Amino acid sequence: DVKVTQSSRYLVKRTGEKVFLECVQDMDHENMFWYRQDPGLGLRLIYFSYDVKMKEKGDIPEGYSVSREKKERFSLILESASTNQTSMYLCASNRRDIPNYGYTFGSGTRLTVV
Amino acid sequence: DQQVKQNSPSLSVQEGRISILNCDYTNSMFDYFLWYKKYPAEGPTFLISISSIKDKNEDGRFTVFLNKSAKHLSLHIVPSQPGDSAVYFCAATRLGGATNKLIFGTGTLLAVQP
Repeated sequence: DVKVTQSSRYLVKRTGEKVFLECVQDMDHENMFWYRQDPGLGLRLIYFSYDVKMKEKGDIPEGYSVSREKKERFSLILESASTNQTSMYLCASNRRDIPNYGYTFGSGTRLTVV
Repeated sequence: DQQVKQNSPSLSVQEGRISILNCDYTNSMFDYFLWYKKYPAEGPTFLISISSIKDKNEDGRFTVFLNKSAKHLSLHIVPSQPGDSAVYFCAATRLGGATNKLIFGTGTLLAVQP
C-alpha cells in the first residue's frame, strides 16, 4: 500500500520556535507538495519540489522554507513560529510522468502555536 | 485571487437523495479537474476526475459534469449515504507542466442525514 507519511499528527509549539514538519513517501514520486488547510480558505500551496534539491514557492510561502535532500523526504520549516501559522499541514506527492495522476496525501499534522 | 471557487461552504442532504456539489473556476488554461474527499484528522483522498475533452465521467455513485463554456463543474452523488459525510474539495490543473500543480477550492462540507 503506497504511503505518504507525516511524522507527527499533533504538535504544539511556542511562538518564536523553529519548527520542522517531516514528510516521507515510498512511491518514488518526483513531485512533493506542502499545503495548509484553514476553514473557509481551503487548501493553499506553501511550497513544492519537483526534484531533489529543487523547490518552488507556492501561493503562501512567507514564513516558511523547505528542504529536499533526498527524493523520498520533503521537510517544511517554520523559521520562527507565529500564532497565525496554527493550521492543519498536509503533505502530498505525485508522479511527473503520468499526466493525469492526482496527489497522494499524508494524514496531516495539526500544528498549534501558542 | 481564488482561481477555483466552491461557493457553498456546507450542504445537508437526506440519505438516499442526490447530493450536488458545485465548483467554478476562472482560469481557462485548466484542462484537468479532480474531486477529493476529506474526513476530519485525515488527508484528502482522490474521488474522481475529468479531462476537459469530456463533459461527464462516472464512477459508481459518483458522477462529475464539466461545462467548459461556463467554467463550472459539479459532483453528483446518488444515492447519498451517511458515510459520504465529509469535506469535498474540487481541484484544477493544467497538464503537461513539470509538476501538475493542483489548485484547490475552499471546500464544501457535506452532511448526509440518516
